[in-house]
Amino acid sequence: GESVGLHLPTLSVQEGDNSIINCAYSNSASDYFIWYKQESGKGPQFIIDIRSNMDKRQGQRVTVLLNKTVKHLSLQIAATQPGDSAVYFCAENMISGGSNYKLTFGKGTLLTVNP
Amino acid sequence: AAGVIQSPRHLIKEKRETATLKCYPIPRHDTVYWYQQGPGQDPQFLISFYEKMQSDKGSIPDRFSAQQFSDYHSELNMSSLELGDSALYFCASSSPGEGRDTQYFGPGTRLTVL
Repeated sequence: GESVGLHLPTLSVQEGDNSIINCAYSNSASDYFIWYKQESGKGPQFIIDIRSNMDKRQGQRVTVLLNKTVKHLSLQIAATQPGDSAVYFCAENMISGGSNYKLTFGKGTLLTVNP
Repeated sequence: AAGVIQSPRHLIKEKRETATLKCYPIPRHDTVYWYQQGPGQDPQFLISFYEKMQSDKGSIPDRFSAQQFSDYHSELNMSSLELGDSALYFCASSSPGEGRDTQYFGPGTRLTVL
């Protein structure tokens, strides 16, 4: 079936460097994507989202890029800090049951920030 | 700001026992979602409720059932527990009325089946 997946399972960076986490999706009809951060033992935390009518969206220290041609998402974290260490998931938000949504998660990427 | 509350945070059960997980959504959120996350896995959608009615169903075993109550809290009932049910169970809530149906997750319940 359709799925959302990640290219790299782990990423290790030095504090202060920029991080890029990638995600590929296969459902070309998808129009809404979310990045979540999950720290050990905690629930997924919303970071940033993007709709398919956009190519780029910026937040605080984070940027999401969407390339619909190759069905690819990326999350860029500027000046990565130790507190950014976590598993990052991209998720496809699909309409289900009327106006409600369900999330299809990709495989997470473990980001480790070395001091 | 108030977040999604889940209880209990940890639960240990024996095989074939039953378990009930509770979820209290963010105030004024009318939609609740349940997800199961196995070790090293991504969260898998189980079931969702909108205005106390089931709105969608995912990979939820027949041994599990859930409901949403008049105060919008939800309970996930799990019977005939199996070892493979050991996982983190997350509840998320959202409010379509806010214009963007972002799901906010609770801290999860860690279920261990022995």
